[in-house]
Amino acid sequence: QVQLQESGPGLVEPSETLSLTCTVSGGSITNYYWNWIRQPAGKGLEWIGRIYTSGSTNYNPSLKSRVTMSVDTSKNQFSLKLSSVTAADTAVYYCAGHFSSSSYFHYWGQGTLVTVSS
Amino acid sequence: DIVMTQSPDSLAVSLGERATINCKSSQSVFYSSNNKNYLAWYQQKPGQPPKLLIYWASTRESGVPDRFSGSGSGTDFTLTISSLQAEDVAVYHCQQYYSTPYTFGQGTKLEIK
Repeated sequence: QVQLQESGPGLVEPSETLSLTCTVSGGSITNYYWNWIRQPAGKGLEWIGRIYTSGSTNYNPSLKSRVTMSVDTSKNQFSLKLSSVTAADTAVYYCAGHFSSSSYFHYWGQGTLVTVSS
Repeated sequence: DIVMTQSPDSLAVSLGERATINCKSSQSVFYSSNNKNYLAWYQQKPGQPPKLLIYWASTRESGVPDRFSGSGSGTDFTLTISSLQAEDVAVYHCQQYYSTPYTFGQGTKLEIK
């Protein structure tokens, strides 16, 4: 069974860059799309973007200017960088995966809270 | 972007009774070439990630109890829990995967009356 685990700093200062990594275990990272989704406290889910194992990406236009995703197949990991963060970027960040043929999310990490504050 | 709107925002139902949650998309998520609706439902319990319940609008994920069912087509969809159990208390989200950016409804909080 595929399992995902997010890692990264829980506190980021305003204007800095948020960096998170998701480690995939229990299966191959190949042939899936890997996504980042966030959820501010008490609010709904926002899709940030996705990366295929080839390295091709799709980002949410609302965040596109600040988002970079990458994948390292040798480590079974993929990563998110979100630049110039503000308090509005405070949220639980989830990594999630879907098959290449269907874009509903089968696999989810447990989520990691990232707080933007000085 | 396709806007997903759920109703109601919160719902209280007695144990054993039926719960119905609605989801409306701002444009059709039906793809005529394969006759499929690109709509999924998730259940999220406190402190946990969302869990996939339903995809293609009406296909239950493996292991999901058959009291959960999805229906609808085009722009209007429904998640029905036929007989509410205590463990069904959660927030339910719909999601369209017809086009990027993928978008979710605001969530519906389901409680026991």
